[in-house]
Amino acid sequence: QVQLAESGGGVVQPGRSLRLSCAASGFTFSSYGMHWVRQAPGKGLEWVTIIWYDGSKKHYADSVKGRFTISRDNSKSTLYLQMNSLRAEDTAIYYCARGGGYDYGTFDSWGQGTLVTVSS
Amino acid sequence: EIVLTQSPATLSLSPGERATLSCRASQSVNTYLAWYQQKTGQAPRLLIHDASNRATGIPARFSGSGSGTDFTLTISSLEPEDFAVYYCQQRSNWPPYTFGQGTKLEIK
Repeated sequence: QVQLAESGGGVVQPGRSLRLSCAASGFTFSSYGMHWVRQAPGKGLEWVTIIWYDGSKKHYADSVKGRFTISRDNSKSTLYLQMNSLRAEDTAIYYCARGGGYDYGTFDSWGQGTLVTVSS
Repeated sequence: EIVLTQSPATLSLSPGERATLSCRASQSVNTYLAWYQQKTGQAPRLLIHDASNRATGIPARFSGSGSGTDFTLTISSLEPEDFAVYYCQQRSNWPPYTFGQGTKLEIK
């Protein structure tokens, strides 16, 4: 079965960096677009970024553009999110999600999430 | 950016009752709309894709309908495990993919 396992979250000071990882198993990772979606404490879901199956295309929410970078290593079936210049408003649970459908636009499997807290 | 507005914000019903949740888009999304369920402390789970197609393993009591700007998620007879928060999401015009603010379905 599809499994996604995020790691790398923690407490970080404003302005610092953090890298999240998402280990995938149970499916052909290299055939799917992948997303990061976040959820601030007690709030709703916010899409963050998508990467195409081969890494050729990437798109970002305006709120993270220029600060966050999505990448993947298909040989390791792993997705990454490099987060720089972190702000208090980036505090959230970060989920990786598989992009389902022909356009990868449906989030058909989710990891359990990793909590990022930005605080001094 | 397409804005999705869900109503009601909170729905209080009893097990066995029928639940009707609404999602309205600020512009047409055709049928490029999905529904997710999120239980407390858990990740979201895909229920419905392309407005009316149940995802794998989703019980038949869940159904979706609508097109254009108005969509409905119906749970025909509530089970205790159905009490959760439900989100709609569009993939018609992106980036960004957008979600509604959620409807909390609580036990009356």
